[in-house]
Amino acid sequence: TQLLEQSPQFLSIQEGENLTVYCNSSSVFSSLQWYRQEPGEGPVLLVTVVTGGEVKKLKRLTFQFGDARKDSSLHITAAQPGDTGLYLCAGACSNYQLIWGAGTKLIIKP
Amino acid sequence: ETGVTQTPRHLVMGMTNKKSLKCEQHLGHNAMYWYKQSAKKPLELMFVYSLEERVENNSVPSRFSPECPNSSHLFLHLHTLQPEDSALYLCASSRKWADDNQPQHFGDGTRLSIL
Repeated sequence: TQLLEQSPQFLSIQEGENLTVYCNSSSVFSSLQWYRQEPGEGPVLLVTVVTGGEVKKLKRLTFQFGDARKDSSLHITAAQPGDTGLYLCAGACSNYQLIWGAGTKLIIKP
Repeated sequence: ETGVTQTPRHLVMGMTNKKSLKCEQHLGHNAMYWYKQSAKKPLELMFVYSLEERVENNSVPSRFSPECPNSSHLFLHLHTLQPEDSALYLCASSRKWADDNQPQHFGDGTRLSIL
């Protein structure tokens, strides 16, 4: 069974702090997607990383795909209350399915 | 506005009831998906339809029955559900199935509670 472990499961920090969440697997993925889900809504795609070692930036969010394409990280600089939500990673594997992590629930306190 | 609309948003039903969840996508996508989301668990893929044909059925109990009458609409018919079926049911669509880099566009889900 392919698994995608996300850590931490829960994180509550003050506005302005930096944070990193991780997505790890023993499987190799052809690509990896990050989504954010806000309460009462469905997940919304933030970014897709495809190449090992790739780094993508989305304003204060920096996404990195591991060199071996088995892991990824999301770093948020100077977190804002609007960053609050459930962050989900999903890896694309050879049978065309996405393998999902259980998510990191992030709360940014004003 | 996500382009994927799910109704109802909330549903409470008894174990002997029959109900249906509806999903409609306005994005011109060819693939549609049903997921189950339970707290602290990964999204569970239930069904995938590509061009109105079912291409994945991940060992889902027969009390869940999908229907895809056209590429814009997807239903999930529910019958004789169990309390452990209480969850958020998410519908998603993508431009096509079996393309690793295609993002999935999600509806806001139906929160289902089984009494």
